[in-house]
Amino acid sequence: DTEVTQTPKHLVMGMTNKKSLKCEQHMGHRAMYWYKQKAKKPPELMFVYSYEKLSINESVPSRFSPECPNSSLLNLHLHALQPEDSALYLCASSHPSGDRGGYEQYFGPGTRLTVT
Amino acid sequence: GIQVEQSPPDLILQEGANSTLRCNFSDSVNNLQWFHQNPWGQLINLFYIPSGTKQNGRLSATTVATERYSLLYISSSQTTDSGVYFCAVAMDSNYQLIWGAGTKLIIKP
Repeated sequence: DTEVTQTPKHLVMGMTNKKSLKCEQHMGHRAMYWYKQKAKKPPELMFVYSYEKLSINESVPSRFSPECPNSSLLNLHLHALQPEDSALYLCASSHPSGDRGGYEQYFGPGTRLTVT
Repeated sequence: GIQVEQSPPDLILQEGANSTLRCNFSDSVNNLQWFHQNPWGQLINLFYIPSGTKQNGRLSATTVATERYSLLYISSSQTTDSGVYFCAVAMDSNYQLIWGAGTKLIIKP
């Protein structure tokens, strides 16, 4: 099974709302990622968790708050977003860097977020 | 930092045609992946190919690591092949994928 699942598929939220994006994988991967993708651009890395610990935070504003409750789940908590945060949010997973399995990244289908 | 360039930026073909997409990178890499992003946004893994040649059905890829390029071949194109093809690389044990700008492929029936 090489599947990464994400919920919800679509989300519309106001600037004062709080919402969460969820990601799940059952491939035994111990590295999980959040990416943001704007139209006609490649994905941009936001966060990396390795063994459930935050490994990389690419200077993302604090209105985005990641959480990795266990090795299979990754959440992205959203609060007080701006309209420019509207984008496709992608989750990915891989074996951790340096492991025998390499670190091919597998992506979920994404959550298309609109901030009004 | 490492640069990744993809060519051509856009490609329009008739169904049944063959195509070659290119990815050049500016430094040694330990990870190179080709992805297809369909019109609904799903990023589909095509190949993990830091070196060598792989084939999967109508698609094949070759990476010549010493010359720092990779090629993706699509034969007998179908309309479902339409979308954006991304090449992404990583160095050493780095988690960060460096992405090319993509090739937008349109297959006309």
